[in-house]
Amino acid sequence: ETGVTQTPRHLVMGMTNKKSLKCEQHLGHNAMYWYKQSAKKPLELMFVYSLEERVENNSVPSRFSPECPNSSHLFLHLHTLQPEDSALYLCASSRGPRAKNIQYFGAGTRLSVL
Amino acid sequence: GENVEQHPSTLSVQEGDSAVIKCTYSDSASNYFPWYKQELGKRPQLIIDIRSNVGEKKDQRIAVTLNKTAKHFSLHITETQPEDSAVYFCAASENFNKFYFGSGTKLNVKP
Repeated sequence: ETGVTQTPRHLVMGMTNKKSLKCEQHLGHNAMYWYKQSAKKPLELMFVYSLEERVENNSVPSRFSPECPNSSHLFLHLHTLQPEDSALYLCASSRGPRAKNIQYFGAGTRLSVL
Repeated sequence: GENVEQHPSTLSVQEGDSAVIKCTYSDSASNYFPWYKQELGKRPQLIIDIRSNVGEKKDQRIAVTLNKTAKHFSLHITETQPEDSAVYFCAASENFNKFYFGSGTKLNVKP
């Protein structure tokens, strides 16, 4: 167990649904990340939150909306997704800048968009 | 931005042989290079990392080398075992909070 917990582990949703992915870390880290992993593609960095401020979103479509209410919790709100958004969504956390930057990953949420 | 390329995409070796996976990066500002192992159905796990002030690092059967001039780094696994079979990802990091990943190498170790 890495100390990063993601829920749910699996999610099936229709294109008109609204759902949220949750990530929680118990490591005292102050940076959290959302990644998307699709088959046969590199891990894609979606969002980075450092000290509760979003520092990068890599031009992710607006149907993905992140929320970071505090340094221990990170959400990814999903709305009107497309079938190509089906993927494994990984959350990770690390200590902030000027610290050892090992990222600890959650187990991921396997998302299927019908 | 940074661009990380990883080769080969698949690698098949006989048990006991060595395996080498190579990555190149484009941004000379990158200063931290981790390697992750992802077994089927599991999350990526950090297996070894190297900073830009070091040329080589070893941990038992695993080693990583870094050539800053050429902007490439490699993962070396010696005496491979079937449990080494997994997908391996390299990454390059700048300023500690941005990670750019390679496309992954699927390693198959045949018993």
